[in-house]
Amino acid sequence: GAGVSQSPSNKVTEKGKDVELRCDPISGHTALYWYRQRLGQGLEFLIYFQGNSAPDKSGLPSDRFSAERTGESVSTLTIQRTQQEDSAVYLCASSGTGGNTEAFFGQGTRLTVV
Amino acid sequence: AQSVTQLGSHVSVSEGALVLLRCNYSSSVPPYLFWYVQYPNQGLQLLLKYTTGATLVKGINGFEAEFKKSETSFHLTKPSAHMSDAAEYFCAVSLTGSNYKLTFGKGTLLTVNP
Repeated sequence: GAGVSQSPSNKVTEKGKDVELRCDPISGHTALYWYRQRLGQGLEFLIYFQGNSAPDKSGLPSDRFSAERTGESVSTLTIQRTQQEDSAVYLCASSGTGGNTEAFFGQGTRLTVV
Repeated sequence: AQSVTQLGSHVSVSEGALVLLRCNYSSSVPPYLFWYVQYPNQGLQLLLKYTTGATLVKGINGFEAEFKKSETSFHLTKPSAHMSDAAEYFCAVSLTGSNYKLTFGKGTLLTVNP
C-alpha cells in the first residue's frame, strides 16, 4: 500500500486478555516505531526496529508488552494480560534510510480495555 | 543520546495572533529536526523539517521554524493563527549515523480562540 497500515483500527478487549496489534509499514522502509498515546497525553515511545539491528525496547512499560518484526516488513505488538491503563491509541510509524527522512504514521489502533 | 523538550503542553492564542511553539533539543552531533502536526482524530503528518542548509525552514499551512544551533532550538511560528490550526504539534529530532532513531517531544496542544 501507499501508506502505513494498522489493524485493527479499533479493539475492545476484556481485562486480562491478550491482544495483538499489527503494522504494515511502507515498503522499503527500514525503520519502524511503535508509540502509545493515552487520552490527552503526548507520544510515548515503546519500541524501535532498524533493519537487522537489535530493537530498542527501552520504552516498553512492562514485560507484558512485546513486539516483533519480520525482516523489514510487518510488525506485531502484543500486550499480554491487558489492564485498563493499557487503553490508548497505539501508533506505528516507518521511515526510510537515513536520519533526514521523516517518519510516516499509520492511523493507529484504538485499544479499549474494559 | 538525543532528547527533545517542548515548553508548554498547552498554548492558547486568538485568531490572527502570532503562534509560537517552543522546542529545544539536545544532541551530541548535528541533528535533523522535524515538526509534526496531529489534527483532531487524525494521524500525525509532517509539517516541516530541517536537515542541512538554510536554517529557516518553511512548511505547510504558513508555518515555519528556525534552527538556532547556539540556542539548541527549533521553534515553530506562524504570523497569524487560523481556527484550522488548532491541533497538537510535536517536535522531533534524529541524528546522523547508523542509529537514527526519531525522538519526539511530549507535544503542545494549540487552541485558537475566535
